[in-house]
Amino acid sequence: SQQGEEDPQALSIQEGENATMNCSYKTSINNLQWYRQNSGRGLVHLILIRSNEREKHSGRLRVTLDTSKKSSSLLITASRAADTASYFCGKIQGAQKLVFGQGTRLTINP
Amino acid sequence: NAGVMQNPRHLVRRRGQEARLRCSPMKGHSHVYWYRQLPEEGLKFMVYLQKENIIDESGMPKERFSAEFPKEGPSILRIQQVVRGDSAAYFCASSPQGPEETQYFGPGTRLLVL
Repeated sequence: SQQGEEDPQALSIQEGENATMNCSYKTSINNLQWYRQNSGRGLVHLILIRSNEREKHSGRLRVTLDTSKKSSSLLITASRAADTASYFCGKIQGAQKLVFGQGTRLTINP
Repeated sequence: NAGVMQNPRHLVRRRGQEARLRCSPMKGHSHVYWYRQLPEEGLKFMVYLQKENIIDESGMPKERFSAEFPKEGPSILRIQQVVRGDSAAYFCASSPQGPEETQYFGPGTRLLVL
């Protein structure tokens, strides 16, 4: 089964609201990475959080990691229309490959 | 510093033909990864290469698919005798170190098999 399953599968909010996406995984990790994909484009790296970190910030993005629950969350504050995209978490499996879940499709309504 | 380049961006092939997808990693990156994405799905790992070597090809079908990353030139993903089920977006990523560090993705090649 896939590592890095995102939840919810789809999320629709109003511009200005905060968006929270979650990611769960099954086996221990060294780090977890969040990516964004705009429709028809490649993935853009957002944040990498290591297993010894609990929280990381980048602009309006905040990522948390709870290794005891094997979960991570991505919070986007003060959402904008340009944040509309799919968001994926990636986790290394077998030390050789980055495995993604199905992603969360985020829609920001004006 | 140019990002990861992929070409062609769109490729149309008839069943039975060959598809060649090219990926030029970012300058200084010796690790290359290929992923496949079907509509409304996440990316699925196919293969990981490091200059002239295949490190992990566990996600690549055993038949018809091959990948290389020669000493000089781009990485090539080759699909022989394409079938309709090969229609997908194929993404390449590169990194300066191994897969646990940030991977930088190209814009993808959209393959359509008629």
